[in-house]
Amino acid sequence: GENVEQHPSTLSVQEGDSAVIKCTYSDSASNYFPWYKQELGKGPQLIIDIRSNVGEKKDQRIAVTLNKTAKHFSLHITETQPEDSAVYFCAAITNAGKSTFGDGTTLTVKP
Amino acid sequence: SAVISQKPSRDICQRGTSLTIQCQVDSQVTMMFWYRQQPGQSLTLIATANQGSEATYESGFVIDKFPISRPNLTFSTLTVSNMSPEDSSIYLCSVPFVGGDYGYTFGSGTRLTVV
Repeated sequence: GENVEQHPSTLSVQEGDSAVIKCTYSDSASNYFPWYKQELGKGPQLIIDIRSNVGEKKDQRIAVTLNKTAKHFSLHITETQPEDSAVYFCAAITNAGKSTFGDGTTLTVKP
Repeated sequence: SAVISQKPSRDICQRGTSLTIQCQVDSQVTMMFWYRQQPGQSLTLIATANQGSEATYESGFVIDKFPISRPNLTFSTLTVSNMSPEDSSIYLCSVPFVGGDYGYTFGSGTRLTVV
């Protein structure tokens, strides 16, 4: 089955710096790669996603890149703010909707 | 995207009892997914629930322990049966986006503590 590895498990940055979280996947049938932000006591919320026919997608301070050949994708957050502090999960999803999540990255943005 | 109402939001249960978690979606969706998130860990898919058919369970999860109902296209329940402290987790339902967009929405989760 699919295996998704996410790094780092924890990340601490100064406000205004950039944060990068990386994920690798194993199943070439995965074709949709969302990123979720989970704040304490809440369910995961989709923040950005990318499909396998696209190499990069950007939404304001957040961007995702995908290298389908190497089977890895990354989340980039620029100009980080304290409210970006949360746990971030990547996922790899197949056409059938089967999702495999990474183990999560706890991001702390220090003011 | 669809809006999911999940309840209860949290519960503390005695071991050996069962708890039923409900998810109500404001749109009709073919597939609903149930996940477990153990403390400090990632999300693990329990099963996929399609209306009108038996749920499909992932490896390590069985129907006797996690029976699922899917009576219509907007509602599903997950029951955690004969609970033990190891079942203490957050349980979440998820549905695909509706209206042509591609993505998945999660409910706010049910935080279960078994004592």
